[in-house]
Amino acid sequence: GAVVSQHPSWVICKSGTSVKIECRSLDFQATTMFWYRQFPKQSLMLMATSNEGSKATYEQGVEKDKFLINHASLTLSTLTVTSAHPEDSSFYICSAYPGPPDGYTFGSGTRLTVV
Amino acid sequence: KQEVTQIPAALSVPEGENLVLNCSFTDSAIYNLQWFRQDPGKGLTSLLLIQSSQREQTSGRLNASLDKSSGRSTLYIAASQPGDSATYLCAVYQGGSEKLVFGKGTKLTVNP
Repeated sequence: GAVVSQHPSWVICKSGTSVKIECRSLDFQATTMFWYRQFPKQSLMLMATSNEGSKATYEQGVEKDKFLINHASLTLSTLTVTSAHPEDSSFYICSAYPGPPDGYTFGSGTRLTVV
Repeated sequence: KQEVTQIPAALSVPEGENLVLNCSFTDSAIYNLQWFRQDPGKGLTSLLLIQSSQREQTSGRLNASLDKSSGRSTLYIAASQPGDSATYLCAVYQGGSEKLVFGKGTKLTVNP
């Protein structure tokens, strides 16, 4: 089946620094990828839709200048958390939709801790 | 606006028991429905995808059914094992530019 690889699986950074998270589709091309955020014991929250070769679409309430998304190729989307603060600490997950029979395919997630 | 509800929110069963997880959705005009499992601190693993023209899908001990007209899906787990302990999520996709809509999940604990 389709595989989405996400890296790193965890990262600790100092407050004020930036962190980049990568999401790759390994065996299919993804013109669109999705970035989610999940707080402990809560549901996934869609942050933004990443579109290859064009600007990302952000959900209401998500700061696009803080969460920079780049989708430079058909297999790679990146999420950069800029000037990270402790409240940005969370679990970030990416996803892509290769279509049936695979359906939506998710990465393994990145645990970000800002200290 | 599509809404997805999962019942129960949590379920604890002894090993070996057969169980059913329920998912309901408000708009029956869906393209497909997908069941996932999420282990603590991990991403989502796709279990079964049911396209709108299908009524059920099976994978090993898992069987998922779909009744679009009533807006319901069930995930049946046979002979449950402790390794089945996880949160199970139901999500529907309405096609095109619509977003995947998730239920809040059922947290399953299978006791040895």
